[in-house]
Amino acid sequence: DAGVTQSPTHLIKTRGQQVTLRCSPISGHKSVSWYQQVLGQGPQFIFQYYEKEERGRGNFPDRFSARQFPNYSSELNVNALLLGDSALYLCASSWGDSPNYGYTFGSGTRLTVV
Amino acid sequence: AQSVTQPDIHITVSEGASLELRCNYSYGATPYLFWYVQSPGQGLQLLLKYFSGDTLVQGIKGFEAEFKRSQSSFNLRKPSVHWSDAAEYFCAVGASGANNLFFGTGTRLTVIP
Repeated sequence: DAGVTQSPTHLIKTRGQQVTLRCSPISGHKSVSWYQQVLGQGPQFIFQYYEKEERGRGNFPDRFSARQFPNYSSELNVNALLLGDSALYLCASSWGDSPNYGYTFGSGTRLTVV
Repeated sequence: AQSVTQPDIHITVSEGASLELRCNYSYGATPYLFWYVQSPGQGLQLLLKYFSGDTLVQGIKGFEAEFKRSQSSFNLRKPSVHWSDAAEYFCAVGASGANNLFFGTGTRLTVIP
């Protein structure tokens, strides 16, 4: 059974550009969460989606948006990229609407903004 | 609000030695506590979790953790470290009804032969 898959694995963008990151959860998992992990830090919560509805949002600016599709895959969009957006973006899926059951993480997308 | 402190940024142990990674949390009610491990260039893998009940929980790869409410701690232990345990370890806390976890800043484990 495939785990959580994220694409692309790496990408380099220029300041001011827009980026879309993609995530496919484990089959049967209906919740997808996005985390940002800056080098040397722990993951920070960006969004949670469950059954295609936004269930939670972290302390991130409106430049960050996301959505979940009927097949439960998800996209994270970041507009007007800043140098500080450079980070590893992690997608985590879980079968229920609570992360307290434990996440399964993807390997992440490494975003570099130059 | 929840928060997690991992006081040790980097720990070095010899292969075969015992290991204890410290985690202190801040949360008013009974927390949901987790330990995740991250190998270089990889996502996070769940080692173990605590919700309630027995305060000593067993996880994968021979790890265990003990919840001590009086000390607000959830330290991770392993009796004998293997070279493959070298990685970054993150403690995280959740709350009932919450939709996210709060992670600590991580402890990097180096294992020397």
